[in-house]
Amino acid sequence: NAGVMQNPRHLVRRRGQEARLRCSPMKGHSHVYWYRQLPEEGLKFMVYLQKENIIDESGMPKERFSAEFPKEGPSILRIQQVVRGDSAAYFCASSPMRGVNTEAFFGQGTRLTVV
Amino acid sequence: AQSVTQPDIHITVSEGASLELRCNYSYGATPYLFWYVQSPGQGLQLLLKYFSGDTLVQGIKGFEAEFKRSQSSFNLRKPSVHWSDAAEYFCAVGALNNDMRFGAGTRLTVKP
Repeated sequence: NAGVMQNPRHLVRRRGQEARLRCSPMKGHSHVYWYRQLPEEGLKFMVYLQKENIIDESGMPKERFSAEFPKEGPSILRIQQVVRGDSAAYFCASSPMRGVNTEAFFGQGTRLTVV
Repeated sequence: AQSVTQPDIHITVSEGASLELRCNYSYGATPYLFWYVQSPGQGLQLLLKYFSGDTLVQGIKGFEAEFKRSQSSFNLRKPSVHWSDAAEYFCAVGALNNDMRFGAGTRLTVKP
């Protein structure tokens, strides 16, 4: 059973371009979470999704950021018109269910560099 | 909403010495508490978790943590640190919706 897969591992974008980060959860997991880790900072929650639904997006910036988790395929975190401040590591985690006695398993992250 | 504070940004210990990393949480109900470790350039690996029951939790790699409700703490300990333990450690608190909040992390340096 493969773990949470994120790709690409490293992504370089010029200012103004779009960044698309992909996350394939573990098999059987229908809950996905995205976190952002800025240099010298901890992990900041961004968004929590189930298949075809956004459950909690309280950590998402109001503009340029969007996330989806379609019925088929990976979850996508999209950043439009990237700026230097978007440079960070973006981690995806998945869990099999919502609620007690569950833990989230993390991918290795995508490191986005905006030049 | 839940929140986590890790008071120590950076800790240096000698190899073989004991270690304690502090974590304080804020949450109105029974928290679900986690410690993760992140090696440079890597993702997060779960060290241990507390959901209920025995307040002293054993994890992987010789780590343990103790949940103290009265102090709102979940400190991570290891009796004898190895050089390979050098990494960043994150405490996290989860709620029923499984939406975890992480502390800012504590970077551990191990001196030979």
